[in-house]
Amino acid sequence: QKEVEQNSGPLSVPEGAIASLNCTYSDRGSQSFFWYRQYSGKSPELIMSIYSNGDKEDGRFTAQLNKASQYVSLLIRDSQPSDSATYLCAASFRPSGSARQLTFGSGTQLTVLP
Amino acid sequence: ETGVTQTPRHLVMGMTNKKSLKCEQHLGHNAMYWYKQSAKKPLELMFVYNFKEQTENNSVPSRFSPECPNSSHLFLHLHTLQPEDSALYLCASSQSASTNEKLFFGSGTQLSVL
Repeated sequence: QKEVEQNSGPLSVPEGAIASLNCTYSDRGSQSFFWYRQYSGKSPELIMSIYSNGDKEDGRFTAQLNKASQYVSLLIRDSQPSDSATYLCAASFRPSGSARQLTFGSGTQLTVLP
Repeated sequence: ETGVTQTPRHLVMGMTNKKSLKCEQHLGHNAMYWYKQSAKKPLELMFVYNFKEQTENNSVPSRFSPECPNSSHLFLHLHTLQPEDSALYLCASSQSASTNEKLFFGSGTQLSVL
């Protein structure tokens, strides 16, 4: 059973602070990792993808990957109330004889307090 | 026109009803997916279609029947559902199921089974 684990939260940070979201995955064969943002009552939206060890920055978002520790994180700098959402971590793996699949974590609920 | 559209947005049905969910993607993608999202649980992959051919059926009960007439359209036919099938059903598409990266989700159908 391929799993992606996230702290469900809720995580609360004050406006302007750095929000840190963490994720671990069980399949060492996973090659691609994604962070999706899901507002309440809405569908998931891809915000970051990362494929190699290290950091990847995109605006206020930084994704970090450590394959040796099977750990992925998302940092949100200068957090805004509009960042309040559930953040889903996903890892891609290929079951034997099947197409590549995404396994999702259950999500971390983030609240940014004004 | 949004990339992936789903209808209806909300559906209430009895256990003996038959209904269908519809999904259409306008992104020129070749792979389409059905996911189930229940409260506090990870997204569950149900079905994958790649170039109109079903490539995955993740042990989904037969009361859920998918149909993919072409690469742009995907249906989920529902019959004799159970109350535990109440959930948000999300359609997604990607360029190809072999890479299964960067899923684009529709807005979902919130299903309630009475």
